[in-house]
Amino acid sequence: AQTVTQSQPEMSVQEAETVTLSCTYDTSESDYYLFWYKQPPSRQMILVIRQEAYKQQNATENRFSVNFQKAAKSFSLKISDSQLGDAAMYFCAYRSPDDKIIFGKGTRLHILP
Amino acid sequence: DTGVSQDPRHKITKRGQNVTFRCDPISEHNRLYWYRQTLGQGPEFLTYFQNEAQLEKSRLLSDRFSAERPKGSFSTLEIQRTEQGDSAMYLCASSLAIGWETQYFGPGTRLLVL
Repeated sequence: AQTVTQSQPEMSVQEAETVTLSCTYDTSESDYYLFWYKQPPSRQMILVIRQEAYKQQNATENRFSVNFQKAAKSFSLKISDSQLGDAAMYFCAYRSPDDKIIFGKGTRLHILP
Repeated sequence: DTGVSQDPRHKITKRGQNVTFRCDPISEHNRLYWYRQTLGQGPEFLTYFQNEAQLEKSRLLSDRFSAERPKGSFSTLEIQRTEQGDSAMYLCASSLAIGWETQYFGPGTRLLVL
């Protein structure tokens, strides 16, 4: 069965600094998608970034980038120039070929002013 | 387009009562998903529809839970004879059924069963 593991329940970073959130997953599939979703307090979940497993190039969206290591089944999120608005729960997610999304337990990110 | 909407946003009910939640997907999206999220956890898949057809149900979805999407547009999730363990956030998401389209989430319905 596919699993997604986020080993950091909480992290803190100083405003304007860089932080990396870790995620590992387990699957026997070769074709899948990986996502990072952000869930601010009392607000809805929004997509931060996604990565197609067949693409070797790491995805980048402005200040957000991933380090995708397919062989190691690792998918970390790097946030550069952290801003107060980045404070949220971040979920790593795996999307299987049968279209189900499996989420990790999340990492709560605090931004220190 | 205003995105995925859910109603109500909050619901408090007594144990044993029935509750129904509604989800309106993004208008051109033909896939609709329901998830449940308990405190401190990531969302867990419950079920999903393509148009009006319910394609898959998780074993998390007990017999007390039923979901419908009668005209392939909005969907309802009903919980009968609620239990305290049903207290959670119920999230709806929608996507296009083309390739690997992204799922877009609604704000959720927070259910508290007393």
